[in-house]
Amino acid sequence: AQSVTQLGSHVSVSEGALVLLRCNYSSSVPPYLFWYVQYPNQGLQLLLKYTTGATLVKGINGFEAEFKKSETSFHLTKPSAHMSDAAEYFCAVSEPSNTGKLIFGQGTTLQVKP
Amino acid sequence: DTAVSQTPKYLVTQMGNDKSIKCEQNLGHDTMYWYKQDSKKFLKIMFSYNNKELIINETVPNRFSPKSPDKAHLNLHINSLELGDSAVYFCASSLTGDSYNEQFFGPGTRLTVL
Repeated sequence: AQSVTQLGSHVSVSEGALVLLRCNYSSSVPPYLFWYVQYPNQGLQLLLKYTTGATLVKGINGFEAEFKKSETSFHLTKPSAHMSDAAEYFCAVSEPSNTGKLIFGQGTTLQVKP
Repeated sequence: DTAVSQTPKYLVTQMGNDKSIKCEQNLGHDTMYWYKQDSKKFLKIMFSYNNKELIINETVPNRFSPKSPDKAHLNLHINSLELGDSAVYFCASSLTGDSYNEQFFGPGTRLTVL
């Protein structure tokens, strides 16, 4: 069965500092991997995704993530945090299928301090 | 223009009542989903419809019944509401049911059962 673990339910960084949000997954087949962001009282928005090809993927708002098969990881990074990045971040995994079923991690709250 | 809309945004009701949440998407997608986000922000898929056909039906109590009158709409009806049903319910849609597709989320419906 697929699962996703996000290490750290709460991450706090200073404005301008590196953002690193960790995600590890388990899957019996090569997975598709996603990062979604949820701003307060809003729905989720896709930041980036990995399906096939280049393992370093770039997303919106300066975020990127690297798929590391050997480590079963898909960590999210941003070189310089901005106050507007404060939000809830979800890592998700799916198996290639025609159902679109996403399995989400428990989420990481990113706090950005001035 | 709103891509995925849900009504109502807030729903407060008594235990035992029956309520419905409506979802509409204007993206031309053929697959729609319902997710439940609990008080700890954990997201779990409940149902998925592709071209009005049910393709995902997770272990959800049969008090929950989705209905898709057409590809652009997916409603959620809940009978005999219980305290544990209190959560935020998100509707989402994607172009097809293929798992690599981005899912677009609505703003959520916060259900409170008293």
